[in-house]
Amino acid sequence: EAQVTQNPRYLITVTGKKLTVTCSQNMNHEYMSWYRQDPGLGLRQIYYSMNVEVTDKGDVPEGYKVSRKEKRNFPLILESPSPNQTSLYFCASSFSSRGQDTQYFGPGTRLTVL
Amino acid sequence: DAKTTQPPSMDCAEGRAANLPCNHSTISGNEYVYWYRQIHSQGPQYIIHGLKNNETNEMASLIITEDRKSSTLILPHATLRDTAVYYCIVSHNNAGNNRKLIWGLGTSLAVNP
Repeated sequence: EAQVTQNPRYLITVTGKKLTVTCSQNMNHEYMSWYRQDPGLGLRQIYYSMNVEVTDKGDVPEGYKVSRKEKRNFPLILESPSPNQTSLYFCASSFSSRGQDTQYFGPGTRLTVL
Repeated sequence: DAKTTQPPSMDCAEGRAANLPCNHSTISGNEYVYWYRQIHSQGPQYIIHGLKNNETNEMASLIITEDRKSSTLILPHATLRDTAVYYCIVSHNNAGNNRKLIWGLGTSLAVNP
């Protein structure tokens, strides 16, 4: 089954404790992206990747890191989480082409930073 | 970036057609209109997209006005499982290849029995 998976689905942590949220897709998509969703603000892009070893900042990259060592994986790293990073996070992927294409989303990771 | 305007909420009776409007008056010629939906904090799900012509798939129909300044998503026979937040998005077409979707707050559709 074609899908985007994220782990963990739920995480409660404390300020300053490094964490990684994993994202994996099995569709051989070149493009992957991370979004965060907060009440009243909609989804905002954190980072994106056009292909292996190619990443760039989205609209709200502060406090986050990403890596793309393999095509299927795109982990989101919070080196020193803070309470303002409490949010619902989504990973997405899509085929890369000159035209427009649809994005497939993971189930989400609900993160709480105390 | 083209922005979209949607009503914050709508109701629809089960079995009836749900017509969700979207205004995108600043859309440019090469920007697509996408519709996604999100059921109760799950990952957003793609529904349909179009450029100029009306489109139909197994989930919905998309009607785009001739001037492309507005569109309507039609769910022909709404069911309780269609209760969700529906997002109308105009694709961001910057100089690079970032397929960033600019999300608004969408329309919360409640399908009632």
